[in-house]
Amino acid sequence: DGGITQSPKYLFRKEGQNVTLSCEQNLNHDAMYWYRQDPGQGLRLIYYSQIVNDFQKGDIAEGYSVSREKKESFPLTVTSAQKNPTAFYLCATDAGTGGSKQYFGPGTRLTVT
Amino acid sequence: GQQLNQSPQSMFIQEGEDVSMNCTSSSIFNTWLWYKQDPGEGPVLLIALYKAGELTSNGRLTAQFGITRKDSFLNISASIPSDVGIYFCAGQFGEKLTFGTGTRLTIIP
Repeated sequence: DGGITQSPKYLFRKEGQNVTLSCEQNLNHDAMYWYRQDPGQGLRLIYYSQIVNDFQKGDIAEGYSVSREKKESFPLTVTSAQKNPTAFYLCATDAGTGGSKQYFGPGTRLTVT
Repeated sequence: GQQLNQSPQSMFIQEGEDVSMNCTSSSIFNTWLWYKQDPGEGPVLLIALYKAGELTSNGRLTAQFGITRKDSFLNISASIPSDVGIYFCAGQFGEKLTFGTGTRLTIIP
């Protein structure tokens, strides 16, 4: 079964705890992206990676960290420094050749109380 | 970061009606993408446009890449209940996509 998987679908954490969201793909895509979506809003880019062992900050990287040790995996850590972490988090991938179509995973809804 | 101006923000239509929505930007893009998102799910790619003036269809959906490269529109003909959802445009220049704020489509029984 091909595609992008994000787990878990729902995640609950207490304020002050770091939490890591998983994103795995078997599409053999080079580029991977993390977006944040708040109610009634569009998608905002957190981090992206065009190649293994390299990643760049997006528009709202503060309070987040990522790693790209394998082509298939791009985990996102929401740290305690992120002031408003409750949101819907979406992972996406594309072939990385410029002008490529970006495909999304099913998302993880994180609630921090 | 920049966001695209997408309009209308919401639409309430009856089943069978045609729908039109658009996105405008102050910047040019090389690629325009249109996505549909159901509640609690990830966006699904509907149509991709790569060339100014390009008109592309996918079933009842038709999208166009504006000549100025700063706008795009999406039309849905003869709407059906499963068209309900939020539609996002996205423009690409370089490595990143810039997303519109979404158009929420509701079908009135």
